[in-house]
Amino acid sequence: NAGVTQTPKFQVLKTGQSMTLQCAQDMNHEYMSWYRQDPGMGLRLIHYSVGAGITDQGEVPNGYNVSRSTTEDFPLRLLSAAPSQTSVYFCASSLMTIGTYEQYFGPGTRLTVT
Amino acid sequence: EDQVTQSPEALRLQEGESSSLNCSYTVSGLRGLFWYRQDPGKGPEFLFTLYSAGEEKEKERLKATLTKKESFLHITAPKPEDSATYLCAVTHGGATNKLIFGTGTLLAVQP
Repeated sequence: NAGVTQTPKFQVLKTGQSMTLQCAQDMNHEYMSWYRQDPGMGLRLIHYSVGAGITDQGEVPNGYNVSRSTTEDFPLRLLSAAPSQTSVYFCASSLMTIGTYEQYFGPGTRLTVT
Repeated sequence: EDQVTQSPEALRLQEGESSSLNCSYTVSGLRGLFWYRQDPGKGPEFLFTLYSAGEEKEKERLKATLTKKESFLHITAPKPEDSATYLCAVTHGGATNKLIFGTGTLLAVQP
């Protein structure tokens, strides 16, 4: 099992550019989510999905889009990058079985927007 | 407002010097409290889940406990390899998979 994988590991964008952060998991987890981590702020939920074709917004969704066409993949799209989106992005996944909520995180993507 | 607060922000220990990290929470209908370890440049690594007051879990030198208002992560006789940021998170109410994180405690264990 590779667990949760993310690509790229590092990315530099110019303001206004768009890009997609990739996330995949091989654990057959129904739930997948994206967080951003900023100094002094803790991890904050951007978007999440409870299964293929179902997505919803988290705490800080503005400027980001997601889709879930398969159980394995959950890409995060930045539509028009802004310096405020400079952050470290983590993808996570978990089962949806009642009583089992722990989420497993990928290694992260460090994004810088200039 | 749902909130998770961790203290201290940073803690420096000598090897073998036991201590505790605190995680206090104000959420309605706690479903689960989670402890994660995060090494620099890595993603959070799952440690424990606690579900109800009075519950305790142990793993090597770490022991997590839960009350109705807070959780403690006790570190017994720490080693330098225990140095990391420890994150606390909760899920609550009907949002059983949406995690609310604290800002973490940066632990440094000196040999």
